[in-house]
Amino acid sequence: DQQVKQNSPSLSVQEGRISILNCDYTNSMFDYFLWYKKYPAEGPTFLISISSIKDKNEDGRFTVFLNKSAKHLSLHIVPSQPGDSAVYFCAALYSGAGSYQLTFGKGTKLSVIP
Amino acid sequence: DSGVTQTPKHLITATGQRVTLRCSPRSGDLSVYWYQQSLDQGLQFLIHYYNGEERAKGNILERFSAQQFPDLHSELNLSSLELGDSALYFCASSGQGLYGYTFGSGTRLTVV
Repeated sequence: DQQVKQNSPSLSVQEGRISILNCDYTNSMFDYFLWYKKYPAEGPTFLISISSIKDKNEDGRFTVFLNKSAKHLSLHIVPSQPGDSAVYFCAALYSGAGSYQLTFGKGTKLSVIP
Repeated sequence: DSGVTQTPKHLITATGQRVTLRCSPRSGDLSVYWYQQSLDQGLQFLIHYYNGEERAKGNILERFSAQQFPDLHSELNLSSLELGDSALYFCASSGQGLYGYTFGSGTRLTVV
């Protein structure tokens, strides 16, 4: 039973345009969400996060939106750059569990075309 | 360099064998988390240690075990290996709460 789903395995975007990566979750206990970026042969790198008490968090070119009623979040990258090409993982956790174990989606491979 | 060190980077072994993966957390981090990433899968949480004590377990097989030593490094032991255990194994460390939750570059295990 996949509690965090990223339904698009891949996404191609032109350089300079907006990239939108989507993520859905089923567990209503999740109260904190994170996006990680992963290059081949490297570990995931933290990108941006959002608490369930917010609906938007922005950091430079990256914005995460959370729609709790729809159990949906999205990552917007504007403008997209070739260096953004990587696999992006959505992750969620329940902060009251006593352990910050992350539940990950399967990832979306973003290709930014120059 | 994330500050989280995993060794070895690559490991090839035969079915039925036992291997040990090592993780050194960032300086000062008390928590170590282990994750498994199989082909076309997201990262699956295996186990969490905090300051030497097991804090949480995920879908970790009984053939797998882990421990965290007094110097805070952690080892993940995989025994009676099967072809399906071939995967990337990542560890992550963190300080208080989610502070500095950082992943290592992983160990790629291939079982032949």
